Amino acid sequence: KNEVEQSPQNLTAQEGEFITINCSYSVGISALHWLQQHPGGGIVSLFMLSSGKKKHGRLIATINIQEKHSSLHITASHPRDSAVYICAVVTGTASKLTFGTGTRLQVTL
Amino acid sequence: EAGVTQSPTHLIKTRGQQATLRCSPISGHTSVYWYQQALGLGLQFLLWYDEGEERNRGNFPPRFSGRQFPNYSSELNVNALELEDSALYLCASSYGAKNIQYFGAGTRLSVL
Repeated sequence: KNEVEQSPQNLTAQEGEFITINCSYSVGISALHWLQQHPGGGIVSLFMLSSGKKKHGRLIATINIQEKHSSLHITASHPRDSAVYICAVVTGTASKLTFGTGTRLQVTL
Repeated sequence: EAGVTQSPTHLIKTRGQQATLRCSPISGHTSVYWYQQALGLGLQFLLWYDEGEERNRGNFPPRFSGRQFPNYSSELNVNALELEDSALYLCASSYGAKNIQYFGAGTRLSVL
């Protein structure tokens, strides 16, 4: 079993829909990252959070440390949001990231 | 301000050769991380350098090595290349450890 699990693996939505991507982890963490990877391979760091909630534009990330769960929400989705969204956790004293397998999102018109 | 830059963008090598990948972190960032994303697989942590020293490495054989220079840029060297080393190699940097990591565009290594 992977230390970091994401759901769903694939997600198709129509433009304007509210989207939720979930991430569960089984280890103690010091922080959690949400990343966005476009088809060309480049990765953009969306959020790093260790508690509570963060918002940036149409993106909202929440984390519940007790339940070992985080969610990424996209409001008013747009085709340009189509990408792979990856959850990654920071464990222990090392700064390395352990990654989930990603959620492939496609937003259609 | 320039982001994390990686070179080359693409690299084609044959089995048994050596590959050198380069990464320049964001100005002021002291930590550099290397990750591998093989086709069909998820991202895996390779190496972490901070203040010129290797701080942690992932579950990769010793032929994967690297270094960090005094200006905090970094090299990843892969010796005795194998076909399964074909992957996208991503570099990230952060201001000190345990801070948000910013990623470069990656180097796509193809081993023929």
